[in-house]
Amino acid sequence: GDSVTQMEGPVTLSEEAFLTINCTYTATGYPSLFWYVQYPGEGLQLLLKATKADDKGSNKGFEATYRKETTSFHLEKGSVQVSDSAVYFCALRNNFGNEKLTFGTGTRLTIIP
Amino acid sequence: EPEVTQTPSHQVTQMGQEVILRCVPISNHLYFYWYRQILGQKVEFLVSFYNNEISEKSEIFDDQFSVERPDGSNFTLKIRSTKLEDSAMYFCASKPGLAGERGTDTQYFGPGTRLTVL
Repeated sequence: GDSVTQMEGPVTLSEEAFLTINCTYTATGYPSLFWYVQYPGEGLQLLLKATKADDKGSNKGFEATYRKETTSFHLEKGSVQVSDSAVYFCALRNNFGNEKLTFGTGTRLTIIP
Repeated sequence: EPEVTQTPSHQVTQMGQEVILRCVPISNHLYFYWYRQILGQKVEFLVSFYNNEISEKSEIFDDQFSVERPDGSNFTLKIRSTKLEDSAMYFCASKPGLAGERGTDTQYFGPGTRLTVL
């Protein structure tokens, strides 16, 4: 079945550091890929998405590129801020008719000033 | 901006008791979901609901679970006889339309209800 493997956390970085959170997936066909973020006390919010190979999703300075050859969707940001502290979830939706999301375990990111 | 709300934020119950978790999806959305996350584990799909019926459910969603949209605004998850292993964060989500429709394939999540079964 479908699965998502995500970099284990927690991750602690200094402000303005470069961020990479790794995500790889296993799925049949051509899934859509997502990054969700959960800030303290809030729900999961869509951060970015990509629906086909070589697509790059971007939002709020974060980027991720859909790499079919490596089945990856790594999240990157060039210069993190304290406000980026949150839990980040990688997810996929298999486009064979169902609508459910398959998530990774989440990576807790803490940015220290 | 409209958002999905969930109540309560934290529910503590005794093993064997029934619990009802409540969600108010975004008002013009048509698709509704429940997910759960056991502490330290993955967010897992439980069930999807469309047009007043279950459209898909996972193997976790056994006879102890049920969902209902009783009044056109609330979307509830009932666990009839809770077990210790039901302790988890439960997330509700809603979506306006089908994946193929432009701009409608994003699921919007609530903040979650933390269920603790003692």
